[in-house]
Amino acid sequence: GQNIDQPTEMTATEGAIVQINCTYQTSGFNGLFWYQQHAGEAPTFLSYNVLDGLEEKGRFSSFLSRSKGYSYLLLKELQMKDSASYLCAVKDSNYQLIWGAGTKLIIKP
Amino acid sequence: GAGVSQSPSNKVTEKGKDVELRCDPISGHTALYWYRQSLGQGLEFLIYFQGNSAPDKSGLPSDRFSAERTGGSVSTLTIQRTQQEDSAVYLCASSQTDDSSYEQYFGPGTRLTVT
Repeated sequence: GQNIDQPTEMTATEGAIVQINCTYQTSGFNGLFWYQQHAGEAPTFLSYNVLDGLEEKGRFSSFLSRSKGYSYLLLKELQMKDSASYLCAVKDSNYQLIWGAGTKLIIKP
Repeated sequence: GAGVSQSPSNKVTEKGKDVELRCDPISGHTALYWYRQSLGQGLEFLIYFQGNSAPDKSGLPSDRFSAERTGGSVSTLTIQRTQQEDSAVYLCASSQTDDSSYEQYFGPGTRLTVT
């Protein structure tokens, strides 16, 4: 079967750095996405990785290792507004997005 | 430009009734997806439309669920004889195409409560 694993919940301090990990086992791979979802709102796109390495976009970076079936989302200089759920999703060989359950990130002052 | 819109935003219905949920995708987006999200859970794929191809219905949980997409644009998700376990937020998303790096844009969702 296909599986995406992420920690259920993480806590971090305002101004700090946090890394949210995602491991996947899918039938084929056509890219990995990270989405942010604030409580009661729809998910919004953060990043896309299809090749190994680090993609940086402002305070957010996303890393991919295809050989390890592993990705992480790195958030720097945390702000209170970063409190949200972070969803990892992988496009399989049929280009269908397989979603993780999400990681709820709690930021404390 | 306009994003993905869904209606109604909230729907309360009695067990056993039928409901229709509507999604207006971003203009020009050929791919349209329906998901279901229960409280505190991840996204559960329901159905996917791509252009004029036959829809991928592999995620529909039972034959009480159906969806159609008219004219390659607006989509309607219908749930017949609703059950309490159908209570969830139903999210619609669209993307330019279904392949490679194109991200999905989500609508605000319809919160369905079956009493």
